[in-house]
Amino acid sequence: DAGITQSPRHKVTETGTPVTLRCHQTENHRYMYWYRQDPGHGLRLIHYSYGVKDTDKGEVSDGYSVSRSKTEDFLLTLESATSSQTSVYFCAIPAPEDIGYTFGSGTRLTVV
Amino acid sequence: TQLLEQSPQFLSIQEGENLTVYCNSSSVFSSLQWYRQEPGEGPVLLVTVVTGGEVKKLKRLTFQFGDARKDSSLHITAAQPGDTGLYLCAGAAFDDYKLSFGAGTTVTVRA
Repeated sequence: DAGITQSPRHKVTETGTPVTLRCHQTENHRYMYWYRQDPGHGLRLIHYSYGVKDTDKGEVSDGYSVSRSKTEDFLLTLESATSSQTSVYFCAIPAPEDIGYTFGSGTRLTVV
Repeated sequence: TQLLEQSPQFLSIQEGENLTVYCNSSSVFSSLQWYRQEPGEGPVLLVTVVTGGEVKKLKRLTFQFGDARKDSSLHITAAQPGDTGLYLCAGAAFDDYKLSFGAGTTVTVRA
């Protein structure tokens, strides 16, 4: 059940380069979220959005910025990638039938 | 950030056995969810519990929300290899749409 897609699925980049990850939804939700997942840490919130051009920081926002110029797209940018940002990144939107989230399939980012 | 602690971190059992995963916090939550995640995919929502003491059943899975709304458990009866995956609990505060996640329990069911 697509409704939320992430691109790219995999990316390898060099330290110091900028990287942008894209999340696209077709559910017209106000809220969108970016999480990173690392072994032993679970999912940690990076940034979230509660409407077009309305965003706020999560618990691990340092080194990341976001933009939401239209309802369906939420972009996550690493201004200058570092090895500590090697992770799997997930985008999420509110689930349609229940309290909770629907997640995208993730982007595996490796910074070398 | 509200801390959710899951135990055990890893669990390996034989097909047909039962298992229980725990999710504990010192914080009170308005609701608590359980997700299952398979390799290379995003977490998939299994259930949400919203009332203290609530018990929900999903086939062989039983979910319970603690009376004080600080903890939850997931019990699987007669586990099958298809139950293998990473199980995550997540909680929502009363005044917040954001979820806090536990670190997860990796369950392996051997055939």
